[in-house]
Amino acid sequence: GAGVSQSPSNKVTEKGKDVELRCDPISGHTALYWYRQRLGQGLEFLIYFQGNSAPDKSGLPSDRFSAERTGESVSTLTIQRTQQEDSAVYLCASSLDTLRTDTQYFGPGTRLTVL
Amino acid sequence: DAKTTQPTSMDCAEGRAANLPCNHSTISGNEYVYWYRQIHSQGPQYIIHGLKNNETNEMASLIITEDRKSSTLILPHATLRDTAVYYCIVRAYGGTSYGKLTFGQGTILTVHP
Repeated sequence: GAGVSQSPSNKVTEKGKDVELRCDPISGHTALYWYRQRLGQGLEFLIYFQGNSAPDKSGLPSDRFSAERTGESVSTLTIQRTQQEDSAVYLCASSLDTLRTDTQYFGPGTRLTVL
Repeated sequence: DAKTTQPTSMDCAEGRAANLPCNHSTISGNEYVYWYRQIHSQGPQYIIHGLKNNETNEMASLIITEDRKSSTLILPHATLRDTAVYYCIVRAYGGTSYGKLTFGQGTILTVHP
């Protein structure tokens, strides 16, 4: 079946501009996650959505970062007034979020470059 | 979630088994062991997970010691396409860390001809 998809695959923007990154989770997956991976670094957790519950925003690095999710489908991650340190690959993952296991399946990522 | 320790890098000859170790000596009874890998320029890929029993799927086998303080991921017949960074992650189901995967530095596995 279709996996997690993300768009765009690459985004180049100028410092100070706003960007929106999109994630389409696997159909039926109730949980959705955003991570960031800077060049040569590990993954940093950003935010987690589970059904209608309030999202876990504990990983968002600043108030310039926000994310929304419509029901149990598409999510958008918005970065306002981008800075050069925001340059990274932004990864989205989704999971069934059952009681027994919540294996996360990742999309290919969006590579963001802030000039 | 419990901390994991993995070797920084490992080599393996194509066609041979790759055995990737992971130490998780502070693992709790409700924590699972997950393995992911990340091939260059791609998102992480789920491989396998387990609680206390050994597990096998089409990609790999996971051997967890009886005391659960360490585990080994086995790729039975490594190919060049298995070259990647392999992450061992220990996480509880539920609690305040619910939802997050905490990735360490992982093991860089290089499969050579």
